[in-house]
Amino acid sequence: SSELTQDPAVSVALGQTVRITCQGDSLRSYYASWYQQKPGQAPVLVIYAKNNRPSGIPDRFSGSSSGNTASLTITGTQAEDEADYYCNSRDSSGNHVVFGGGTKLTVL
Amino acid sequence: QVQLQESGPGLVKPSQTLPLTCTVSGGSISSGGYYWTWIRQHPGKGLEWIGNIYYSGSTYYNPSLKSRVTISLDMSKNQFSLKLGSVTAADTAVYFCARAGTDGYNFAYWGQGTLVAVSS
Repeated sequence: SSELTQDPAVSVALGQTVRITCQGDSLRSYYASWYQQKPGQAPVLVIYAKNNRPSGIPDRFSGSSSGNTASLTITGTQAEDEADYYCNSRDSSGNHVVFGGGTKLTVL
Repeated sequence: QVQLQESGPGLVKPSQTLPLTCTVSGGSISSGGYYWTWIRQHPGKGLEWIGNIYYSGSTYYNPSLKSRVTISLDMSKNQFSLKLGSVTAADTAVYFCARAGTDGYNFAYWGQGTLVAVSS
């Protein structure tokens, strides 16, 4: 079982805003990173260190954190944002890496 | 631009050892501050961290796999490797190599992944 909990599935209307959450005790101590994965592809880092975007990631992706919950927000969701999204961080011991179970985002 | 590429057998027999290699280009694995990591994904499932090795050679493994995993560096070939022993069908997965920065879990660079099936 994962120490980071995500909703299995979320849907959003095209052009609207969606928030994907990740909960875990270790998030009180460590920031979450977020990854987008499309079928048959490797994951792509979209947010790191709470709210930093790697080069090439659109600014409609943003991150935030409060207490034991990290969030990924997509503002003005596009059809190409339909994918699985994973959060990750360190575990409560700080010695290991954990991933959330993933959230499948459907764009309606 | 750093690139990673996994290589190894696509099929391993039960009880044997699964060996994979990740070849790094566009950067040296001996450069300080990076964690060279193996991650797997069972068919249709989420991502599972297997373990990593720091450029200094220190290793960290998923507690659930620790007894069967060895990760090592080969500086001369700019590669790092995974050995997973005593495999079963439950180890059938896509295996990714990746590089994390100083925080150890921010994976900006990934290989394309390689599917390894465990079957007799």
